[in-house]
Amino acid sequence: GAVVSQHPSRVICKSGTSVKIECRSLDFQATTMFWYRQFPKQSLMLMATSNEGSKATYEQGVEKDKFLINHASLTLSTLTVTSAHPEDSSFYICSAREPGQGTYEQYFGPGTRLTVT
Amino acid sequence: EDKVVQSPLSLVVHEGDTVTLNCSYEVTNFRSLLWYKQEKKAPTFLFMLTSSGIEKKSGRLSSILDKKELFSILNITATQTGDSAVYLCAGIYGGSQGNLIFGKGTKLSVKP
Repeated sequence: GAVVSQHPSRVICKSGTSVKIECRSLDFQATTMFWYRQFPKQSLMLMATSNEGSKATYEQGVEKDKFLINHASLTLSTLTVTSAHPEDSSFYICSAREPGQGTYEQYFGPGTRLTVT
Repeated sequence: EDKVVQSPLSLVVHEGDTVTLNCSYEVTNFRSLLWYKQEKKAPTFLFMLTSSGIEKKSGRLSSILDKKELFSILNITATQTGDSAVYLCAGIYGGSQGNLIFGKGTKLSVKP
């Protein structure tokens, strides 16, 4: 199956700093990538949908100025958590979908554990 | 409001047992339902169900969708300790984006 990578896998940062998380599709071109966050013992919550070459679509309640998403190429999307605060500490997972009509399966990256101190 | 509800939230069984995990959904413009297995990190894909009444099988796992009653079940037969994980179901909704809405998952623990 398709492989999606994320970097870094784990990051600790101080409150007020910004953190960038990369999501790459390794063996396919992903016109659409998705960013999720997952709190402990909770399910994945979709944050935004990232489309190559256009602005991301954010879910209701997600601050677009705080969670900056860039999908500059068909294999890379980045999520930047700006001015991070402890409440932003979470597990962030990206997924990518192969282009193709009717293909809705999403391949998930291994996730990034963000801890804001 | 769209929602996906899974039950039970957690389940403890012994090796060899058969388990059934439930997923009900209320999803606007529903397209398909996905099942994922999440161990320590990212979910891994199990099944995608689009048509009602057609069982999908992969080894000891099988799943079926009932679009009339808006639910799906995931069966695992002859469970093994390696089946211990959180099982997530997600509904695909909306237009061409194929967005997912996840349930909270069922945590399955298989004891030796």
